[in-house]
Amino acid sequence: DSGVTQTPKHLITATGQRVTLRCSPRSGDLSVYWYQQSLDQGLQFLIQYYNGEERAKGNILERFSAQQFPDLHSELNLSSLELGDSALYFCASSVGGLANSEQFFGPGTRLTVL
Amino acid sequence: KNQVEQSPQSLIILEGKNCTLQCNYTVSPFSNLRWYKQDTGRGPVSLTIMTFSENTKSNGRYTATLDADTKQSSLHITASQLSDSASYICVVSVGIYNTDKLIFGTGTRLQVFP
Repeated sequence: DSGVTQTPKHLITATGQRVTLRCSPRSGDLSVYWYQQSLDQGLQFLIQYYNGEERAKGNILERFSAQQFPDLHSELNLSSLELGDSALYFCASSVGGLANSEQFFGPGTRLTVL
Repeated sequence: KNQVEQSPQSLIILEGKNCTLQCNYTVSPFSNLRWYKQDTGRGPVSLTIMTFSENTKSNGRYTATLDADTKQSSLHITASQLSDSASYICVVSVGIYNTDKLIFGTGTRLQVFP
């Protein structure tokens, strides 16, 4: 158990809909990262927040947005969902905000768009 | 172009046997290299992190090596167990500051049979 929690574990929705994924980092970690992993694909970095501020942005679509709240939990919002958005979405956290910080991954949220 | 390539793509071995997974990278400037283990449908778990000055690091039956001159790393698994069946992901950090510069390999899928 990494100490990172994600909810929900599974999510099934229809095209065009909007969903929110939630992540709680390990106690004491200030950084939260979001990743997407499509079937048989590698992890794709989406976005990072550090202590409430956006720190880095990767391959995140404009239909997706995220935020980190004062209690350091984070939410990833996915809107106008398409079939291709079906994937595992992982959240990771780290103490620091730099690229050499060790990241601890949550169990993921499996999103299925029908 | 920053790239991380892993080989083989998949590997099948018998329980008790040893195996070695390879990771080649073209990344500059190099900060560190990590190996993660990812069970199917679960979040990656860190096995080792090595900076350029480290050329070997062990974590139980897992031993990672790094040759910064040839830009190659390997992960050696000794006396494999059924629980080693997973994907093993090599991740290279480009520089220290930018998290969006973590370059992920697509992984080696290892299956251990009795």
